[in-house]
Amino acid sequence: EAGVTQFPSHSVIEKGQTVTLRCDPISGHDNLYWYRRVMGKEIKFLLHFVKESKQDESGMPNNRFLAERTGGTYSTLKVQPAELEDSGVYFCASRGGGPPYEQYFGPGTRLTVT
Amino acid sequence: GQNIDQPTEMTATEGAIVQINCTYQTSGFNGLFWYQQHAGEAPTFLSYNVLDGLEEKGRFSSFLSRSKGYSYLLLKELQMKDSASYLCGTGFQKLVFGTGTRLLVSP
Repeated sequence: EAGVTQFPSHSVIEKGQTVTLRCDPISGHDNLYWYRRVMGKEIKFLLHFVKESKQDESGMPNNRFLAERTGGTYSTLKVQPAELEDSGVYFCASRGGGPPYEQYFGPGTRLTVT
Repeated sequence: GQNIDQPTEMTATEGAIVQINCTYQTSGFNGLFWYQQHAGEAPTFLSYNVLDGLEEKGRFSSFLSRSKGYSYLLLKELQMKDSASYLCGTGFQKLVFGTGTRLLVSP
């Protein structure tokens, strides 16, 4: 079974530019999550999709961040315009509908805004 | 709110036993997770405790005391490949993590 994949693995952009991160969850997983780890800090929740619907977006920092999951399969996270403080590692995770309850994480996208 | 504390770094010797502690304060409790993360890789699930007591899974065991807001991860027969960060987290859908404990296993 393929795991959660994320693209790109690294992205370096200038302040003010736009970046789109992609996550492909494990096939059949309805739940998809985005998390972010800023250097030196803990991994923090951004939002949660159930299929194509946003279930909880309480962790989204501001309206420069837009997440979508059209068709309930892969998801994208767009940052527009990017700011220096957006630098960090963005993780995607997915989970099936019932137990086991663990979330399966992708390897992350390291975003550097210069 | 939620707050999770765990030591920043620990060192141990190959073949030894190490215990990584985690204390938490949550407004609601939905279970406690431990994840392992090697540098540059995805966090991988180790254990999930929702009831008090010890859960054993091979060389790794996890303990939970809900009344004390306390958990630990016990790693036995340490191997070099166990050098990694260990993340304590609570929650169900929205996981809340500590900053992680970086474990360095030396020969």
